[in-house]
Order: sequence, then C-alpha cells, then structure tokens
Amino acid sequence: GAVVSQHPSWVICKSGTSVKIECRSLDFQATTMFWYRQFPKQSLMLMATSNEGSKATYEQGVEKDKFLINHASLTLSTLTVTSAHPEDSSFYICSAGRAGGANEQFFGPGTRLTVL
Amino acid sequence: QKEVEQDPGPLSVPEGAIVSLNCTYSNSAFQYFMWYRQYSRKGPELLMYTYSSGNKEDGRFTAQVDKSSKYISLFIRDSQPSDSATYLCATTGYGGSQGNLIFGKGTKLSVKP
Repeated sequence: GAVVSQHPSWVICKSGTSVKIECRSLDFQATTMFWYRQFPKQSLMLMATSNEGSKATYEQGVEKDKFLINHASLTLSTLTVTSAHPEDSSFYICSAGRAGGANEQFFGPGTRLTVL
Repeated sequence: QKEVEQDPGPLSVPEGAIVSLNCTYSNSAFQYFMWYRQYSRKGPELLMYTYSSGNKEDGRFTAQVDKSSKYISLFIRDSQPSDSATYLCATTGYGGSQGNLIFGKGTKLSVKP
C-alpha cells in the first residue's frame, strides 16, 4: 500500500511553454501533498505544501505564479510550471501523507523536466 | 547552522560490511525521524520511521535516535550491492502527515561485490 505515482516521468519542452505534472496517491487518500525539487547531487528542497480544497503554501523564494499547484481531490495534485526556462530544469518529486495516518510521507518516482 | 547535517560521502564498503550512516540536527523540537533510500533518478523510498528516542529494527536495518545529543543513525547489517543508493535522513517536529520534512543532503553509499 501507500503508492504514489507521477506523470509524466520525464518531459522535454521549449522555453516559454507550460508543463503540467500530476501526482496521484493510488491506494490511499492524501489530505496533504508536498512538492519538492532536487538538483543533481543535492537534497530535496520543499517548494510548496498542498492541502485538498485550499490554496497551496509556498516556501520562501518559490514564485507561486510560476509554479501553480492545484489539489482538486484527495488523490490528485498537479504542479504546472508556467513559462518554463532552462533554469527550471530539475527533478520534481511529490509526496503524500495519508489522511489520519502517522507522520509519514510517501514519495512519487519523480518527474525529470528539461527545458531547452 | 543548518537544521539537519549529513555527510554526503561518498561511502564505499565491501559486501557484507556493517554500514553506519549518521545525521545531526539542531532543533530540539524535532520528534519524528525518518530514513529514506533513493536510487539514481528515482523518488525517495521510506525505509525507517521512528518517534522520539530509541532504536527500531527492521530486517537488516536499525534506526537509532539519541535526542540528548541530537544524533540519528541508520545501521545496515550484511550490506549488499543492492543497498548502493543515496540515503537521506529527514525529521520534523509536527505530528500528523501535514508536517514538513527537513532533509539532510544525503549520503551516497556504494557496496562493492
């Protein structure tokens, strides 16, 4: 149990376009989902916390208008990178916490974004 | 001082060795401690989860938390080449799954056959 999927697993796009990444909890309900990015040989950096039915909370330095997060249901959160630039190229990973569960987060497999 | 410090390694050991991975943290409010394993280009996988001080064992893995010294450890017995990965420690002070995790930088482990 506690499986989280992400789609797509990798994406290449042109500079200036928008990219949407989906995060789904497959076998549990997730009231809270988290979005991280990870640069090569670096640890995970929390970008935002997403609660079902409410606005996401962004970490300091993360542009909310650039990284749009929607958590429309208890099993789905989406991250849209708008007007992508090469410096947005990174590994984006989501995690989900089980509703009513202990303080554990289960991570998706990640999405590698390359902006040309 | 960073909230969670972890030696990035790399750490290379022969197959069968006992591996010791460690982190220190600065905030005494942290109560939940996790170890994640991350293979290259994959998402982190939860290995161990502990609350407060003490030991927790799961197969070849033992997690240890010493809150008095703010020190957390992961021991891997009889290490295998398949254990080669980056190991991330994480902690949070919040109860429930809404807690934001604070990660160490990760230690890259290589187990040689």
